[in-house]
Amino acid sequence: AQSVSQHNHHVILSEAASLELGCNYSYGGTVNLFWYVQYPGQHLQLLLKYFSGDPLVKGIKGFEAEFIKSKFSFNLRKPSVQWSDTAEYFCAVNAPISGGGADGLTFGKGTHLIIQP
Amino acid sequence: KAGVTQTPRYLIKTRGQQVTLSCSPISGHRSVSWYQQTPGQGLQFLFEYFSETQRNKGNFPGRFSGRQFSNSRSEMNVSTLELGDSALYLCASSLVGAYNEQFFGPGTRLTVL
Repeated sequence: AQSVSQHNHHVILSEAASLELGCNYSYGGTVNLFWYVQYPGQHLQLLLKYFSGDPLVKGIKGFEAEFIKSKFSFNLRKPSVQWSDTAEYFCAVNAPISGGGADGLTFGKGTHLIIQP
Repeated sequence: KAGVTQTPRYLIKTRGQQVTLSCSPISGHRSVSWYQQTPGQGLQFLFEYFSETQRNKGNFPGRFSGRQFSNSRSEMNVSTLELGDSALYLCASSLVGAYNEQFFGPGTRLTVL
């Protein structure tokens, strides 16, 4: 079974600070990797995804993530955060299954990010 | 394009009752997945339906069930409700294929008293 670990449950930063949220997963095979964000009062939205190819992926709103296979990691980064980035961030993984599709997403516990103006 | 819609948005039930939640996927999406979100356990996968068949299932008791209709709309049912079933139930839809990106609905907030 897969598992996902997010290292920081709560992070507080000032505007313009750089951000890195850690994510490690446990699974021996091919995986798809995702970062989702949940803004206050809104539903989960996809920030970025990795299926294959370039391990550095860029997402919406200036976010990027790097897949390091040897470390089973998929850390999220943003060079300069804004107050509007205050939200809950979830790392997730699933694995392709035979016949098409993929199994259900396994989520980390989430990181609550607060950006102070 | 309209997003994933879920009804009702809020629901209050008492222990022992059963409940049915509904999800309409994005037009053209044939896969529908359900998740439970609680403060303690976080987001947990319940099951996935594709072409009216349950294709994947998470680690939940048999009281949790679902179905999918020919128009890809899906319902999930929880029987004999327990206090611990209080949660936000999220539905997500996706296109078919291994590279599936799941789009989430706003959820149904279920409170069991």
